[in-house]
Formats: sequence, structure tokens, C-alpha cells
Amino acid sequence: NAGVTQTPKFQVLKTGQSMTLQCAQDMNHEYMSWYRQDPGMGLRLIHYSVGAGITDQGEVPNGYNVSRSTTEDFPLRLLSAAPSQTSVYFCASTIQGGKGGYTFGSGTRLTVV
Amino acid sequence: SQQGEEDPQALSIQEGENATMNCSYKTSINNLQWYRQNSGRGLVHLILIRSNEREKHSGRLRVTLDTSKKSSSLLITASRAADTASYFCATEGDSGYSTLTFGKGTMLLVSP
Repeated sequence: NAGVTQTPKFQVLKTGQSMTLQCAQDMNHEYMSWYRQDPGMGLRLIHYSVGAGITDQGEVPNGYNVSRSTTEDFPLRLLSAAPSQTSVYFCASTIQGGKGGYTFGSGTRLTVV
Repeated sequence: SQQGEEDPQALSIQEGENATMNCSYKTSINNLQWYRQNSGRGLVHLILIRSNEREKHSGRLRVTLDTSKKSSSLLITASRAADTASYFCATEGDSGYSTLTFGKGTMLLVSP
């Protein structure tokens, strides 16, 4: 079991560039989420999905897009990177809401210059 | 918006001592979870306590939940240097599609 796999681990973007952060899980979890972690702010929810084909916005969705075409994958797209999106991004999954703890990936550290 | 607020923000103790961290939240919940994060790493799930439970144990961890006060505490007994990490509480709501809402965390330093 690989758990939750995030790629890349580090990325530097120029303002205005776009990119996709990849997230894959092999635990057949229905729920998947993306969080960003900024110093002193804890983790804030960007987007989440409760199953293939179903996504919804979290607390800080602006500037990000998601899709969920398969149970395993939940990519996060930055449409036009801004310095305010410099952060550490975590993907997480759980079997279903309210059923147990979440499994987190190791994170992607993104710097936008 | 942040749901949970941990207290204290930072805690420094000696090996062998107990560490207690507190968490308060604002809305009704299905469950409350505690996570550990080592520096630069992902979060690791420690324990989940449901809204109808008052206390739960796992190894050296003891979690309490008081839904009337909307608060929880995490006790780590006989701390070790390896317990040095940030600890976060997170709540899962009880309506609609649930998501985890995190507090800002407590940084625990355990000195040998």
C-alpha cells in the first residue's frame, strides 16, 4: 500500500504560469481533499471530492481547479500562479466522511516568484 | 474559517513529563481528530473521538471530549524526544458532506 502519493515534492513557478499538482491514492477511498498550509494558519481546505465526478469548494478555492474522473486520482490545477499561492499543499483521503481518520500525502512545497 | 483553536501555541517539556494540549471548536461535530506533523512532513492521524464519546485511549495518548463546552484535550504521557512535533485538532461536521476543519496547532518540544 503506497497510501497517498503527491507529486512533485517541490516546485518553483513564475507568476502567471499554470501547473497541476498530482495526488493519487490506492486505498479505494471515496473522499479526497486538498489543503494548503501557511505559517501560523494551520491547514485550510481548498477543494474536496466525495466520489468520482463530484467535487466542491472549500474555504479558499479561488485560483484553483479540481476534477475527479477516477476514484484514485484528484489533481489540483493552478490556473495562473500568484505569489499568494506560495504554500505547502497537502492531499488527503478517507474511506467516507465520518468513518475514520484521513491519510495525508507528504506534501508539495510550491514557491511562486 | 478555522474551527479549532489549540492551546497552548507552543509547549516545551522534559522527557518523561506529560504534555497536555487543548482544542476548542465552534460548531456541532460528528467527530474530532488529532494529528501529528513532524517538521516538513505530512500529517499523521493519531486518534478519533466521536461526539457521543467522552474519553478515548491509544497507547500513551488520552483524548477527552466535552461537547457541552465544545472542547477537547490531548494528553501524551511519559513524553519522549521523538514526540517533538506539531499537533493539530480537526473537526468533522455532522451535516451534509463532511470535511475536516483544522486548528492552528500546538508545537511540542520534548527535550532529552
